[in-house]
Amino acid sequence: QTVVTQEPSLTVSPGGTVTLTCASSTGAVTSGHYANWFQQKPGQVPRALIYSTNNKHPWTPARFSGSLLGGKAALTLSGVQPEDEADYYCLLYYGDAQPWVFGGGTKLTVL
Amino acid sequence: QVQLVESGGGLVAPGGSLRLSCAVSGFTFSNYYMSWIRQAPGKGLEWVSYISHTGSPRYNADSVKGRFTISRDNAMNSLFLQMDSLRAEDTAVYYCARDSGMVGAPLAYWGQGILVTVSS
Repeated sequence: QTVVTQEPSLTVSPGGTVTLTCASSTGAVTSGHYANWFQQKPGQVPRALIYSTNNKHPWTPARFSGSLLGGKAALTLSGVQPEDEADYYCLLYYGDAQPWVFGGGTKLTVL
Repeated sequence: QVQLVESGGGLVAPGGSLRLSCAVSGFTFSNYYMSWIRQAPGKGLEWVSYISHTGSPRYNADSVKGRFTISRDNAMNSLFLQMDSLRAEDTAVYYCARDSGMVGAPLAYWGQGILVTVSS
């Protein structure tokens, strides 16, 4: 069974920079995993931020960026705002058998 | 604007069945892949099922394989999830979602979600 692993929690200061990562139990994450990132605030519907590793949706703030880093997918927030406090989930693609798998989520605290 | 509205949730006994619907508007439904995602209370997201724009292919997560069936009616602009042999661990908020039309962007737009509770 494929497992996608994220940091359970991270803390960042307002105005700072933080990188969240997403690892695959099958090995290095590549562009073929089409990594997606989602933000979910308490009581709200998840919102898509990044698709296909590093592409932004029209509504994605410029301070969010996606990349591959050290065999993992990464989401970097630069110039963090208090409203960025949320849970962040990655999603990876594994092909026809079990196409998409979510990571367990990272709770980001802005303090 | 893109709108996705789920319905059909509620309380059901273990072993029972429920059919979720997702009514869409604001776009040409027959052009897009659609998915169901769920979130158990206080837990993370779990991708459940997805279906191509034509109705085939379609795929289910291992946790629901053989029990849940995704389908769509392009004429009615509706997505469905037939859930049979329900278990307590199926209790969750269920979301329908649409892809963006771009490669590798399966869940660009989300509905508000509908709660399914499996309990006796």
